[in-house]
Amino acid sequence: NAGVTQTPKFQVLKTGQSMTLQCAQDMNHNSMYWYRQDPGMGLRLIYYSASEGTTDKGEVPNGYNVSRLNKREFSLRLESAAPSQTSVYFCASSDFVAGGRGEQFFGPGTRLTVL
Amino acid sequence: KQEVTQIPAALSVPEGENLVLNCSFTDSAIYNLQWFRQDPGKGLTSLLLIQSSQREQTSGRLNASLDKSSGRSTLYIAASQPGDSATYLCAVPYSGNTPLVFGKGTRLSVIA
Repeated sequence: NAGVTQTPKFQVLKTGQSMTLQCAQDMNHNSMYWYRQDPGMGLRLIYYSASEGTTDKGEVPNGYNVSRLNKREFSLRLESAAPSQTSVYFCASSDFVAGGRGEQFFGPGTRLTVL
Repeated sequence: KQEVTQIPAALSVPEGENLVLNCSFTDSAIYNLQWFRQDPGKGLTSLLLIQSSQREQTSGRLNASLDKSSGRSTLYIAASQPGDSATYLCAVPYSGNTPLVFGKGTRLSVIA
């Protein structure tokens, strides 16, 4: 099992450019998440998808959109990148069902710099 | 709103010491608590998950305890090794079985 995979690993954008971060999991998990990690701020939730076909905003959703393409894939889109979106982005998945352990598993991250 | 605090922010110990990392949370109505390890420039590795009905979990030299009523968890590392050097994060759900709220972590250095 590959677990949670993310592409790309690194990306440099100019202000105003757009891009999509890709995430896939092969653990048959229902729930998927996008977090960003910034120095001094810790990890913060951007968006999540409790199940295929649903998405919800997290703590810091402004400037982002998401798509739960199918059960395996959950993408994060920056429509017009800003320097404040320079961060490390992590995708995660879990067995988020009633009575489940709810353990989250993380991908290796995408390091994004916006100039 | 759930808030998670980890103390200390950084810790340096000589090899072989036993150590304790602390995590506190403001809302005791949690579904579970998860401890992660993060190496520099890497993703998060799940170490231990404690369900709300449990008091502790063990994995090798690691032991995590949970006291829901007081809003505290500790991660005990026995006989520390230089390979244990990393940042340790604890996290609890926003509410029930939902996305996680993270502490800012404890950066551990084990000196040979």
